[in-house]
Amino acid sequence: LAKTTQPISMDSYEGQEVNITCSHNNIATNDYITWYQQFPSQGPRFIIQGYKTKVTNEVASLFIPADRKSSTLSLPRVSLSDTAVYYCLVGNTDKLIFGTGTRLQVFP
Amino acid sequence: NAGVMQNPRHLVRRRGQEARLRCSPMKGHSHVYWYRQLPEEGLKFMVYLQKENIIDESGMPKERFSAEFPKEGPSILRIQQVVRGDSAAYFCASSPGRKATDTQYFGPGTRLTVL
Repeated sequence: LAKTTQPISMDSYEGQEVNITCSHNNIATNDYITWYQQFPSQGPRFIIQGYKTKVTNEVASLFIPADRKSSTLSLPRVSLSDTAVYYCLVGNTDKLIFGTGTRLQVFP
Repeated sequence: NAGVMQNPRHLVRRRGQEARLRCSPMKGHSHVYWYRQLPEEGLKFMVYLQKENIIDESGMPKERFSAEFPKEGPSILRIQQVVRGDSAAYFCASSPGRKATDTQYFGPGTRLTVL
């Protein structure tokens, strides 16, 4: 399974757009890119999944360049409640492999 | 539609005791996964089960750990003769299928503390 690299932590302020980039240089042809969010003392929550180009839902957007070696999770206008750890996962099976994620801290 | 339920939420055991963790998947989901999370780390896959069958237990320690998903009732992760290193958060997830595009929905977790 492809290994992912993402920043350990990021800081932002309320109302700003936050972009978290994940590198996955060894992504395989049939791998999908999935992002989860985890609040303290809770289980991870699915945010978005994509294969190529751009995917958007009510929560976030996912940008994937043509070579698919990286992806960017975009959170529009973050609020304090978006403070959490964000995990980028790459794979083509149901066996999810989590890294250490990006700890996003949103300040007022 | 209730989400994935886990109980207990917190469990304290002394070394050598048994820990039994329960997981009720979302309605209609027959695929259950167990993960373990140590402090400041990501989740680690342990085992995948379908009703009455263990499909993949490649992440499960060979000794003291077992899992089941009976025809009736919740999935159970059992840890025998617990040691301090078993202290962690244990998460259960369920999904409608096992494709990469089948979203896994996680429960709130059981936090096991071994004294």
